[in-house]
Amino acid sequence: NAGVTQTPKFQVLKTGQSMTLQCAQDMNHEYMSWYRQDPGMGLRLIHYSVGAGITDQGEVPNGYNVSRSTTEDFPLRLLSAAPSQTSVYFCASSYGTGAGELFFGEGSRLTVL
Amino acid sequence: KNEVEQSPQNLTAQEGEFITINCSYSVGISALHWLQQHPGGGIVSLFMLSSGKKKHGRLIATINIQEKHSSLHITASHPRDSAVYICAALAGGYQKVTFGIGTKLQVIP
Repeated sequence: NAGVTQTPKFQVLKTGQSMTLQCAQDMNHEYMSWYRQDPGMGLRLIHYSVGAGITDQGEVPNGYNVSRSTTEDFPLRLLSAAPSQTSVYFCASSYGTGAGELFFGEGSRLTVL
Repeated sequence: KNEVEQSPQNLTAQEGEFITINCSYSVGISALHWLQQHPGGGIVSLFMLSSGKKKHGRLIATINIQEKHSSLHITASHPRDSAVYICAALAGGYQKVTFGIGTKLQVIP
């Protein structure tokens, strides 16, 4: 099993550009989520999904879009990147929707100039 | 909103020392999660607990629900334990999760 795969690992964008961070898991997990990690702050939930076709907002959803067309994939889209979105992004998945073990991707470091 | 505080924020220990990292939270939770973030950035789950104590190798996690407090202990610390340790408080599922800032541990040979 590959676990949770995130791509790309590094990306530099200019303000206003768009991009998609990819996340895929091969564990048949219902729950998938995106977090951002900023210096001096804990991980913050951006969006999450409890199954294919179901998504919802987390703590910091503004500027981000998600979709869940399959159980395996949960891409995060930045439609018009802003410097405030410079961060490290993590995708994570879990069996069920409760409090099962969280499996994280390796992270994606995004810089917006 | 649940406030999660970890202490200390930074910790340097000599190899072999017993280490304790603390996590306090402000509201009732369904479970608490301890995570380890390696220097390369990857995050792995160490423990998930809702009561009592769990042990895995040299790592022990405890939680006191009444006092809203959890501790992570590392016995016989080793340089490979150097990492950031993060606690996460779940108030009914991961959509209501609050992460601590993390404790950066460095174990010196």
